[in-house]
Amino acid sequence: NAGVTQTPKFQVLKTGQSMTLQCAQDMNHEYMSWYRQDPGMGLRLIHYSVGAGITDQGEVPNGYNVSRSTTEDFPLRLLSAAPSQTSVYFCASKPSGTAYSPLHFGNGTRLTVT
Amino acid sequence: EDKVVQSPLSLVVHEGDTVTLNCSYEVTNFRSLLWYKQEKKAPTFLFMLTSSGIEKKSGRLSSILDKKELFSILNITATQTGDSAVYLCAVVGGGGFKTIFGAGTRLFVKA
Repeated sequence: NAGVTQTPKFQVLKTGQSMTLQCAQDMNHEYMSWYRQDPGMGLRLIHYSVGAGITDQGEVPNGYNVSRSTTEDFPLRLLSAAPSQTSVYFCASKPSGTAYSPLHFGNGTRLTVT
Repeated sequence: EDKVVQSPLSLVVHEGDTVTLNCSYEVTNFRSLLWYKQEKKAPTFLFMLTSSGIEKKSGRLSSILDKKELFSILNITATQTGDSAVYLCAVVGGGGFKTIFGAGTRLFVKA
């Protein structure tokens, strides 16, 4: 079973460039989310989705866009990359928006913005 | 503002030692508290706690929640080098849609 798949694994961008981080899950999970992880700061929620067509902001949404056209995919878009967006990005999913299921994580995308 | 605070931030022990990791929280409308282990890549789930005083146990790891004092502990007995990792505490509050993570405790177990 693939679980949660993130691509690419690594990416280097120049300031001002745009890119999309891909996330796909094959577990038919309704809930999907994006986190960034920075040294000493843990995981911070960027955006989340409770189903196709429904998205909402997390703790640190500025500079990022998301959409959810299918249950399986939840891409994260950086429209104009900034050095402050250098981080490791994790996509995570769970069966629904319930509080009583753990998140399943992808293996992360390490992004460097120069 | 919701927050989850873990202590210590890092810990170095010798194989065979017992360690206690701490997690305190202030989260609106608490629903559940989860512990994850993160080695090199994705965090992996360890425990979910929803009720005070009920210990969850898996092998050498155990955890308990105190909802009155708003904290949880994760105990690891007879530590092994394979326990070296970052341990993350997370709390789900509100409508169940947001999971708030602490900064993590980095544990290093020396052989």
